[in-house]
Amino acid sequence: AQRVTQPEKLLSVFKGAPVELKCNYSYSGSPELFWYVQYSRQRLQLLLRHISRESIKGFTADLNKGETSFHLKKPFAQEEDSAMYYCALRVPTDSWGKLQFGAGTQVVVTP
Amino acid sequence: GAGVSQTPSNKVTEKGKYVELRCDPISGHTALYWYRQSLGQGPEFLIYFQGTGAADDSGLPNDRFFAVRPEGSVSTLKIQRTERGDSAVYLCASSLSAGQNTEAFFGQGTRLTVV
Repeated sequence: AQRVTQPEKLLSVFKGAPVELKCNYSYSGSPELFWYVQYSRQRLQLLLRHISRESIKGFTADLNKGETSFHLKKPFAQEEDSAMYYCALRVPTDSWGKLQFGAGTQVVVTP
Repeated sequence: GAGVSQTPSNKVTEKGKYVELRCDPISGHTALYWYRQSLGQGPEFLIYFQGTGAADDSGLPNDRFFAVRPEGSVSTLKIQRTERGDSAVYLCASSLSAGQNTEAFFGQGTRLTVV
């Protein structure tokens, strides 16, 4: 079965420092990978997806099939980046509605 | 409202009781999804509707769980004979269609507590 692993439950960084959230997955084919974010008291929302290859709010993520990773990075963290981040995977042979989420990483950015 | 709406926002029920959780998707969205999020975990897929039909119900944990979407809009997740282990936040999401470039929009969730 496919699995998404986010090894860090909590990541505490200073404002202006780089931040990297790790995501590893287990799947032998070519999955779709996503990062979702949930700010305090707000609903879960899509941050970015690997097929778009875009930068959102300064965040980027590169799919590394050799290492089966999809780490999320930002060179200079801001206080408003404090949130819960979830990595998610969709397998092409599964239904479009079926996302597999990791357990999430809580990011705290301190001034 | 413009977003996915879930009611109630909180539900406390006694073990063994029946509950219904409602989801109003964004108008015009044909795809609707239910997820369950237990404490300290990421969302876990339950069921996905395309229109009125359940395209994938492989995530429903057992036959106490059932979901309907009779008119292709509002969906109801039904849980019979609730157990304490059913306590979780139940999330609903909808998307315009189902496909590689579609984005699913999530509701605020219903927090279910079984006592």
